[in-house]
Amino acid sequence: DAKTTQPPSMDCAEGRAANLPCNHSTISGNEYVYWYRQIHSQGPQYIIHGLKNNETNEMASLIITEDRKSSTLILPHATLRDTAVYYCIVRVGTGANNLFFGTGTRLTVIP
Amino acid sequence: GAVVSQHPSWVICKSGTSVKIECRSLDFQATTMFWYRQFPKQSLMLMATSNEGSKATYEQGVEKDKFLINHASLTLSTLTVTSAHPEDSSFYICSARDVGRETQYFGPGTRLLVL
Repeated sequence: DAKTTQPPSMDCAEGRAANLPCNHSTISGNEYVYWYRQIHSQGPQYIIHGLKNNETNEMASLIITEDRKSSTLILPHATLRDTAVYYCIVRVGTGANNLFFGTGTRLTVIP
Repeated sequence: GAVVSQHPSWVICKSGTSVKIECRSLDFQATTMFWYRQFPKQSLMLMATSNEGSKATYEQGVEKDKFLINHASLTLSTLTVTSAHPEDSSFYICSARDVGRETQYFGPGTRLLVL
């Protein structure tokens, strides 16, 4: 699986968009980009995934660059409950196989 | 939909005893479930992959005789920590693969403290 690089921490003002970057420069053509988040002392929560097209759901948007070497998770209107560790994971196939978690980005939403 | 439960949510036991943790997919069938372990301020580490009706596949460094995994049905997998020791104290998290959605969903975790 391709390795991902994320900033260790970020702050975001409540109500503003949170943009979380992820670099995956060694990604291969059949690897998907997955995003999960983990709120303190809870299990990870699935957010979104994509292959090469931008994706949007009720939680977030995923923007993948054309060369697929990086992506950005966008939370359009961050709330205090979005404070969590966000993990960007690259995985072959549709991601239903085992996931390897890196260190993630600790997002703190500030009132 | 896509809810995964774990029981118990936390457990305290004496050193040398065995502890069983259950992982259930409540509204979908899961042919594959995964068990992770997370130590304080660290990321999740995959321990093993559990396939319904067959033996689990363990990651390197995980003792299969110490961490017994049973996946007897499409909605239940169990992890038994045998002869637990204080160093086994950790946050144990399971996940289940929703074949219909081809996505993996996580349980809320079980916090184990071995005294």
